[in-house]
Amino acid sequence: NAGVTQTPKFQVLKTGQSMTLQCAQDMNHEYMSWYRQDPGMGLRLIHYSVGAGITDQGEVPNGYNVSRSTTEDFPLRLLSAAPSQTSVYFCASSPRLGGLLSILAKNIQYFGAGTRLSVL
Amino acid sequence: KQEVTQIPAALSVPEGENLVLNCSFTDSAIYNLQWFRQDPGKGLTSLLLIQSSQREQTSGRLNASLDKSSGRSTLYIAASQPGDSATYLCAVPGGGADGLTFGKGTHLIIQP
Repeated sequence: NAGVTQTPKFQVLKTGQSMTLQCAQDMNHEYMSWYRQDPGMGLRLIHYSVGAGITDQGEVPNGYNVSRSTTEDFPLRLLSAAPSQTSVYFCASSPRLGGLLSILAKNIQYFGAGTRLSVL
Repeated sequence: KQEVTQIPAALSVPEGENLVLNCSFTDSAIYNLQWFRQDPGKGLTSLLLIQSSQREQTSGRLNASLDKSSGRSTLYIAASQPGDSATYLCAVPGGGADGLTFGKGTHLIIQP
């Protein structure tokens, strides 16, 4: 059971370049999300998805796009990289139950190992 | 907006000591709280999840408590070992459907 897999582990980009960070999970989780982790800022939510075909913005969505065509995959696209996007990016997934059950659910989130991105 | 604060930001103690990490949150309307461990250059690993109906959760040498009314949680580590050295993060539900709001973490070093 691989869990949550992120690729690549490291990436260096030049300002203005575009790229896609890949995230895949094999646990059939409905909920997937992307966070960025910056020194002194903690983890902040970028985008999230509650199921295939459904995505929404988190706290810091500007400069990023996402799509969810399958349950397993949730790629994060940088449209035109900027130095401010230098960060460590984490993908996470969890099961999701609807309605009252979600209040009681032990929806532990599983994180990938991260992608370290530098934008020069 | 939910805010999560962790104290102390860093802690260095000799091996064998019992220690307490603190987490506070501003909005007490949470349905659970999670403690994570992060090793350098690695992802996050969930250690304990406490549901709002619980006051404590234990896993091995770790014990987490939750007091919703006061907006506080503590992570107690008994008989600390060098392998416990890591950053410990506290997180509560906040934004983004099932998204989490994280504290900035406590960087823990256990000296052999």
